[in-house]
Amino acid sequence: SQQGEEDPQALSIQEGENATMNCSYKTSINNLQWYRQNSGRGLVHLILIRSNEREKHSGRLRVTLDTSKKSSSLLITASRAADTASYFCATDRVGGGSQGNLIFGKGTKLSVKP
Amino acid sequence: ETGVTQSPTHLIKTRGQQVTLRCSSQSGHNTVSWYQQALGQGPQFIFQYYREEENGRGNFPPRFSGLQFPNYSSELNVNALELDDSALYLCASSSRTSGRNEQFFGPGTRLTVL
Repeated sequence: SQQGEEDPQALSIQEGENATMNCSYKTSINNLQWYRQNSGRGLVHLILIRSNEREKHSGRLRVTLDTSKKSSSLLITASRAADTASYFCATDRVGGGSQGNLIFGKGTKLSVKP
Repeated sequence: ETGVTQSPTHLIKTRGQQVTLRCSSQSGHNTVSWYQQALGQGPQFIFQYYREEENGRGNFPPRFSGLQFPNYSSELNVNALELDDSALYLCASSSRTSGRNEQFFGPGTRLTVL
């Protein structure tokens, strides 16, 4: 079953613009992770935010987490054509630790036009 | 530091056959998780291996089985292949010691069942 739900499903922007993707989830979590996937290849780990953190930065990436609303957002600033990819959020559920599985949404497909 | 590797890259099989996929974990990681990603979907957890034992399993039938070796590498075996098994199979490694379930993925194996 899918825990996370990203929106929008697809996003098309011009190079240099900012891109914001959102993720909602259903149950309590230990942490939330964002991944990037280029054209059906492997997932690249972008950032992990713990449940007791509200905001985290990594280079041009900014992630926020609102556990009261069970939602997270990923902001990519000054986007580049190379940022074109699908972006997934994945949650590590409370009580799911012994199983170790991450639960993914369906992803947001980002297209950055030069 | 060596990243997660998977082999083969692509595989074509026919219905009813058996397949073995291989994964080498990132150095320093002792846990391996396997995911199935159908076209246009997010990855779905199959199972996880820790200390050479299955540590958790998603909603997949017993014909999906696995192994973990003393060097932490892993295999995913699928028997009696069905058309719906066509997907990208992703392996992810993590360190149980870190307690964060931060998973790093390999490039995947694209399996096509005809």
